[in-house]
Amino acid sequence: AQSVTQLGSHVSVSEGALVLLRCNYSSSVPPYLFWYVQYPNQGLQLLLKYTTGATLVKGINGFEAEFKKSETSFHLTKPSAHMSDAAEYFCAVSDPGNQGGKLIFGQGTELSVKP
Amino acid sequence: NAGVTQTPKFRILKIGQSMTLQCTQDMNHNYMYWYRQDPGMGLKLIYYSVGAGITDKGEVPNGYNVSRSTTEDFPLRLELAAPSQTSVYFCASTHYNEQFFGPGTRLTVL
Repeated sequence: AQSVTQLGSHVSVSEGALVLLRCNYSSSVPPYLFWYVQYPNQGLQLLLKYTTGATLVKGINGFEAEFKKSETSFHLTKPSAHMSDAAEYFCAVSDPGNQGGKLIFGQGTELSVKP
Repeated sequence: NAGVTQTPKFRILKIGQSMTLQCTQDMNHNYMYWYRQDPGMGLKLIYYSVGAGITDKGEVPNGYNVSRSTTEDFPLRLELAAPSQTSVYFCASTHYNEQFFGPGTRLTVL
């Protein structure tokens, strides 16, 4: 069975500081990995995804993530936080061979950005 | 394209009442999903569908039913509402590994 663990339910950074949101997964097969962002009272929006190929993937709004198979991790980073980055972030995993494309989500990390 | 739309946005139900949450997508996606989101729990899959006429249970299906008579529509039915079903419900559809989410329905059962 697949699972996702996000380390830290709340992360607070200062504007301009590095953002690092941690995600570890468990999967018996090479997974597809995703990061979604949710702004208050809205649905989820895809930030970036890893399926195959280059392990460093770039997404929208300056975010990127690196797939590290040996560490079973897919941490999300952004060099310089902006006030508009304050939101909840979800890491998710899917099994490429699973009919239905079902996602397993982590519990989410709420990012606060201080001025 | 409107994407994935959900109605209503908000609803308060009394215990034992029933209701249907509507979900429509205009992207001609075959795969559709219903999730519930509870604080600190992430999103849990309730039901999903891989095409019209085909539905299957997700992780937390108890107390819910779905149907998929067309590609566009995937309604979620609550027959006997319970306080444990107080949550935010999201519908989604998939294209090339990316799930597109609706804006959500916030449901309170009192």
